[in-house]
Amino acid sequence: KQEVTQIPAALSVPEGENLVLNCSFTDSAIYNLQWFRQDPGKGLTSLLLIQSSQREQTSGRLNASLDKSSGRSTLYIAASQPGDSATYLCAPLRGSARQLTFGSGTQLTVLP
Amino acid sequence: DGGITQSPKYLFRKEGQNVTLSCEQNLNHDAMYWYRQDPGQGLRLIYYSQIVNDFQKGDIAEGYSVSREKKESFPLTVTSAQKNPTAFYLCASSMGSGRGYEQFFGPGTRLTVL
Repeated sequence: KQEVTQIPAALSVPEGENLVLNCSFTDSAIYNLQWFRQDPGKGLTSLLLIQSSQREQTSGRLNASLDKSSGRSTLYIAASQPGDSATYLCAPLRGSARQLTFGSGTQLTVLP
Repeated sequence: DGGITQSPKYLFRKEGQNVTLSCEQNLNHDAMYWYRQDPGQGLRLIYYSQIVNDFQKGDIAEGYSVSREKKESFPLTVTSAQKNPTAFYLCASSMGSGRGYEQFFGPGTRLTVL
């Protein structure tokens, strides 16, 4: 059974800092991995999708890496802004049914 | 404007009642999913459907039922058999291999049992 761990559980940084969010998963037989953002009381917004054959994916100030063999992914946020404050979730996708398994998330607060 | 809609946004249920949560998508996606989110926890898969008239149980299907009569609709019924239904329910859809099975989510329904 796939298990996903996200470290740290919470993070508070001053505006402008670069930061890294970590995600580890136990079953490396994944098809892809998605990073999501969730604002309080809202649905999930897809940020990046990394295919299992890729090692990196970039969108604006966000860069996600994937090391499938070691079961790790990182989300790098450059020049953080208060608007980046949210919970960030990673979810590897596996199986013939293409199921996502979610971690508990990292709650990020960027202080102005 | 393409997307996923869920209704209602808030739902209150008395014990012993069945309630149905609506999920509609106009993205022409084949696959649809229902997840449950509890405070401080990750999302858990309840049911999923990869094609019309077919659906499969996820990790926590007990006390829930679904139907998939139309491609754009995937309603979830929370039955009285679900012992602890208070949670945030999220619906998602996916095109399939064309976009790497990327899932997109609706805004959610918050269900509270009174």
